[in-house]
Amino acid sequence: EVQLVESGGGLVQPGGSLRLSCAASGFPFSSYEMNWVRQAPGKGLEWVSYISSSGSTIYYADSVKGRFTISRDNAKNSLYLQMNSLRVEDTAVYYCAREDTYYDILTGYYPRYFDYWGQGTLVTVSS
Amino acid sequence: SSELTQDPAVSVALGQTVRITCQGDSLRSYYASWYQQKPGQAPVLVIYGKNNRPSGIPDRFSGSSSGNTASLTITGAQAEDEADYYCNSRDSSGNHYVFGPGTKVTVL
Repeated sequence: EVQLVESGGGLVQPGGSLRLSCAASGFPFSSYEMNWVRQAPGKGLEWVSYISSSGSTIYYADSVKGRFTISRDNAKNSLYLQMNSLRVEDTAVYYCAREDTYYDILTGYYPRYFDYWGQGTLVTVSS
Repeated sequence: SSELTQDPAVSVALGQTVRITCQGDSLRSYYASWYQQKPGQAPVLVIYGKNNRPSGIPDRFSGSSSGNTASLTITGAQAEDEADYYCNSRDSSGNHYVFGPGTKVTVL
């Protein structure tokens, strides 16, 4: 059974730092790309960051670029999000999500999607 | 534009059909995926690719796309389908992802 379990959330003051973790199990973690997605209270989903299976390719949303760092440890089946210079607007539930793809023979495309999600961890940035 | 747009809310009578749409320029190049989220729960993938359902998703859920519009259809809506539904796709750069603002589906 695929499981993703986030941890590390909590209350932090503006300008502070926090490191989130996502423990993966039930699948070959090193073979899958991973993402962080967040959801502010009462708001919609917002994609935050992507990391390739090897960790060699990384992307960030403009809203977090330069402040957040995504990483992974394939030996420990773990995904991380280091969050620095936190702002009030970073307050959200943070989800880790596994990314999968397949070859669509009809179009020649590789559709991508988030097939498994963790339960989320709440980050509150407040003074 | 890298944005996706969705109607904020739709309602459907029990057992009837409802279509939720998602519009955006990136949908001309990339398939959308669709996620169901119930209050206090993590999102769940319901449709991906051209029209694929993960294991465990009822076949009353289906997807389609045309031009810059992707659609999620629930045929024979059930009470348990009441939830927020989000579309997602890559943006025009192909390196980032974008979610639609979500559609709240109410089953009457």
